[in-house]
Amino acid sequence: AQRVTQPEKLLSVFKGAPVELKCNYSYSGSPELFWYVQYSRQRLQLLLRHISRESIKGFTADLNKGETSFHLKKPFAQEEDSAMYYCALMNYGGSQGNLIFGKGTKLSVKP
Amino acid sequence: EADIYQTPRYLVIGTGKKITLECSQTMGHDKMYWYQQDPGMELHLIHYSYGVNSTEKGDLSSESTVSRIRTEHFPLTLESARPSHTSQYLCASSEYGRRWGDEQYFGPGTRLTVT
Repeated sequence: AQRVTQPEKLLSVFKGAPVELKCNYSYSGSPELFWYVQYSRQRLQLLLRHISRESIKGFTADLNKGETSFHLKKPFAQEEDSAMYYCALMNYGGSQGNLIFGKGTKLSVKP
Repeated sequence: EADIYQTPRYLVIGTGKKITLECSQTMGHDKMYWYQQDPGMELHLIHYSYGVNSTEKGDLSSESTVSRIRTEHFPLTLESARPSHTSQYLCASSEYGRRWGDEQYFGPGTRLTVT
């Protein structure tokens, strides 16, 4: 079954420290993966997608098909990175091209 | 400005009442979605629509119903609210038919409490 797992509910780091938010997926086809972010009092919004291979706000995510992972990384965390982060998988199965979300990881960056 | 709107933002209502959560978008998108999210949990897709007169059930079974009479409007209705319906409801929209998968644009959400 298609599934997205984010093993950490909460991740707390100090400003300037590296951060890695973990995401593992289960999917039978060729996966399309995304990271969405929700800052305090703001809407859920797209952060990045693996197909773009881009760096957004210093964050990168590499798709590792062997480990079925799509971890989100940033070398030096900033306080403004504090937010909820959701990993999402595009499901082209029964739901006709809809997203499956993980439970989310709350990132807290301390000064 | 192109946006996606949800009303009300907060709703506290008694058991048995009929409620409609409104969602409208001026993004020009064909595809719209409703998600349900309990605190600390993942978003679950409950309904989606490809366009006018198209509605489909999502991955999570829901007692709610939706309609899509106009492209920009996708209301969700609960005929008889129950405490188990207490949750946050998020509406989203996206272009349909993009090759690389849809970027979804989310509304601010409606937090529903049924007493």
